[in-house]
Amino acid sequence: GAVVSQHPSWVICKSGTSVKIECRSLDFQATTMFWYRQFPKQSLMLMATSNEGSKATYEQGVEKDKFLINHASLTLSTLTVTSAHPEDSSFYICSASPLSGVTDTQYFGPGTRLTVL
Amino acid sequence: TQLLEQSPQFLSIQEGENLTVYCNSSSVFSSLQWYRQEPGEGPVLLVTVVTGGEVKKLKRLTFQFGDARKDSSLHITAAQPGDTGLYLCAGTAYYNAGNNRKLIWGLGTSLAVNP
Repeated sequence: GAVVSQHPSWVICKSGTSVKIECRSLDFQATTMFWYRQFPKQSLMLMATSNEGSKATYEQGVEKDKFLINHASLTLSTLTVTSAHPEDSSFYICSASPLSGVTDTQYFGPGTRLTVL
Repeated sequence: TQLLEQSPQFLSIQEGENLTVYCNSSSVFSSLQWYRQEPGEGPVLLVTVVTGGEVKKLKRLTFQFGDARKDSSLHITAAQPGDTGLYLCAGTAYYNAGNNRKLIWGLGTSLAVNP
């Protein structure tokens, strides 16, 4: 149980285009989903927290107009990187926290490798 | 600002050796999680500790939560090459009058176990 999927697993795009990444909790409902960014051999950097049906809470320094987050249901959240630039190239990971059980626990997706040319 | 200091940041050992990774903070956490991550994949939850002084074992891995819930350790006995990976600790922090929560992450420990 507690499986989180991400799609796509990797994407290459041209500078200036937008890319959408999906995060789904497959076998549980998630009150909250989190989006992280990670650089090689470094820890995770929280970008934003999203609760179903409400606006996402962005961490300091993260541009909300550039990284659009939509949490339309208890099993799906999307991150759209708008007008992507090479510096946006990174590993993006989402996580989901179940409605029931140990609510402090987050389950992570496999990540999406974004490369902007 | 809540911080979680994780050490060591890098560790390279021989197969069969024991090791301990530490996560320390001046803040109290309601719970603390340990994750393991392999390159190109998302972190995989190893354990969640909730109670001060709690000890959990997962095969050769032993996790301990400090009595004051400010620190935690991960001990691996007789490490094997398959244990190689990035180990991350994360503590749950509440904000906005307790209405929201997020994980505070350690910087990670990159472990290499050589055969």
